[in-house]
Amino acid sequence: KNQVEQSPQSLIILEGKNCTLQCNYTVSPFSNLRWYKQDTGRGPVSLTIMTFSENTKSNGRYTATLDADTKQSSLHITASQLSDSASYICVVSAFYSNYQLIWGAGTKLIIKP
Amino acid sequence: SQTIHQWPATLVQPVGSPLSLECTVEGTSNPNLYWYRQAAGRGLQLLFYSVGIGQISSEVPQNLSASRPQDRQFILSSKKLLLSDSGFYLCAWGGFALTHNEQFFGPGTRLTVL
Repeated sequence: KNQVEQSPQSLIILEGKNCTLQCNYTVSPFSNLRWYKQDTGRGPVSLTIMTFSENTKSNGRYTATLDADTKQSSLHITASQLSDSASYICVVSAFYSNYQLIWGAGTKLIIKP
Repeated sequence: SQTIHQWPATLVQPVGSPLSLECTVEGTSNPNLYWYRQAAGRGLQLLFYSVGIGQISSEVPQNLSASRPQDRQFILSSKKLLLSDSGFYLCAWGGFALTHNEQFFGPGTRLTVL
């Protein structure tokens, strides 16, 4: 069964600190993996997208890594800001499906001043 | 540039009442369109997707239906709402011309069924 699992479920850190969010997936055949940021009460916004040949991709203070062998991804946030408070969702696309994305439940990140 | 609109932003409806949520996209032609639902504290669940006018695919059997009367209009409906229909409804668009089936989301509709 295609699944995406994220950890931790929630995380609280102080402003200025770094953090890393984890994503494990069992989607096969794998096409690509993306990280979305969803502010409370808003639609998700894409941060990064990686295919199986890509190991790392950055978007400002966000850096995503992908290990296609172990089927794991991480999202590292550097020098966190209050505006980083949001849910971060890992989403995987299967190669045969042009329409359906397999969504993780997300990690709720709270940045405290 | 492309924009996606959803309305209403919030809605409170009694059990058994009908529902109609509307989504429109501007700045693109023949997009794939999607309806998702997000229950509180849960991940997104794909409800329907459409690759063209009048073409609707359902992912989850339930008392909801979708229609696409125009190229850039996607409507989510119900004849009789259930308590379990409460949630955050998101419309998204995407297309084969975009990289890796990227999907772009609207602002969402918060539905509360009482």
